Amino acid sequence: QQQVKQSPQSLIVQKGGISIINCAYENTAFDYFPWYQQFPGKGPALLIAIRPDVSEKKEGRFTISFNKSAKQFSLHIMDSQPGDSATYFCAASSGSNYQLIWGAGTKLIIKP
Amino acid sequence: KAGVTQTPRYLIKTRGQQVTLSCSPISGHRSVSWYQQTPGQGLQFLFEYFSETQRNKGNFPGRFSGRQFSNSRSEMNVSTLELGDSALYLCASSLDREGEKLFFGSGTQLSVL
Repeated sequence: QQQVKQSPQSLIVQKGGISIINCAYENTAFDYFPWYQQFPGKGPALLIAIRPDVSEKKEGRFTISFNKSAKQFSLHIMDSQPGDSATYFCAASSGSNYQLIWGAGTKLIIKP
Repeated sequence: KAGVTQTPRYLIKTRGQQVTLSCSPISGHRSVSWYQQTPGQGLQFLFEYFSETQRNKGNFPGRFSGRQFSNSRSEMNVSTLELGDSALYLCASSLDREGEKLFFGSGTQLSVL
């Protein structure tokens, strides 16, 4: 019940296309859902995060869509660029613990 | 503002040895977490320290230990190294007890031969 399942494992998208990465969770106590971006040789960096009181959050080309009833959330990257090529991790935590539970990661490649 | 600093950047050890990794958090951050990252296992949580106290611990054997000093700097120790301990070890710091917004260092790449 503590797991966060992330898909796909890898994704190839053409430049200018939309990249979509999905995550699903079971623990209804989760109330914080961040996405982290990791470039080779670097640690992950917080990209965008959402709480369940909203269904969507947008920051530039990056959007989180959240479906509370389905216990799913996804990251959409609009107008994907080669510089977006990285590994993306979703995560979740609850207010009782704050410990992030991580998805397995998605390696995204944007083809020029 | 300086980021999270991890030293050393690369480390090569042999089986049976022990290793100590160091992490200096962002100034003012009191929470430090450690993660093991491998290609097949993703990010695995090791432990978290807040104000010198271990607050959370992941599912790793006792060979993995850590500590935090009064200046929030943290060290992680792995004793009796095994080949399977080869991984990227990441340290992350956060501002307060709400350890959600993590700031990661670039990691220490440990190779066990």
